[in-house]
Amino acid sequence: GAVVSQHPSRVICKSGTSVKIECRSLDFQATTMFWYRQFPKQSLMLMATSNEGSKATYEQGVEKDKFLINHASLTLSTLTVTSAHPEDSSFYICSASSLADRRETQYFGPGTRLLVL
Amino acid sequence: AQSVSQHNHHVILSEAASLELGCNYSYGGTVNLFWYVQYPGQHLQLLLKYFSGDPLVKGIKGFEAEFIKSKFSFNLRKPSVQWSDTAEYFCAVITGGGNKLTFGTGTQLKVEL
Repeated sequence: GAVVSQHPSRVICKSGTSVKIECRSLDFQATTMFWYRQFPKQSLMLMATSNEGSKATYEQGVEKDKFLINHASLTLSTLTVTSAHPEDSSFYICSASSLADRRETQYFGPGTRLLVL
Repeated sequence: AQSVSQHNHHVILSEAASLELGCNYSYGGTVNLFWYVQYPGQHLQLLLKYFSGDPLVKGIKGFEAEFIKSKFSFNLRKPSVQWSDTAEYFCAVITGGGNKLTFGTGTQLKVEL
């Protein structure tokens, strides 16, 4: 149980375009979903926290107008990188915490590799 | 702000050797502590977690970790590693009753046959 999927797994786009990444909890309802960014050989950095039906809470230094997060249901959150630039190239990982589990436990998706040319 | 330190960035061990990976955090209040593992090409998986109670926590695949409050540490141990334990290990903490994970920089473990 507690499986989280992400789509796509890899995406290559041109500079200036927007890219949408989906995060789904497959077998549980997620009260909260989290979006992280991981640079090569570095740790995961939390970008934002989203709760179903409400606006996401962004971490300091993360541009909310650039990284749009929508959490429309208890099983789906999306991250849209708007007007992507090469410096946005990274590995984006989502996680979800379950209604049924302690909220502190997060289950992670497999990540999405974004390359902006 | 809280931080998590993992001092060993790369560890190489032979099979059957014992493992201890260090993790220290900086926060004086209530903490929830986690170890996650990321096998090559796979997503992060929870190894074990500490919320309260017995400070010695047992996780999956023979791993355990000990919470030592006085040392602000939560070191990961395994008595005898296997080649399949080759992976990156992340220590993480949630502080103050919240729900945000702060990760350490990770330790890359390579187990040689």
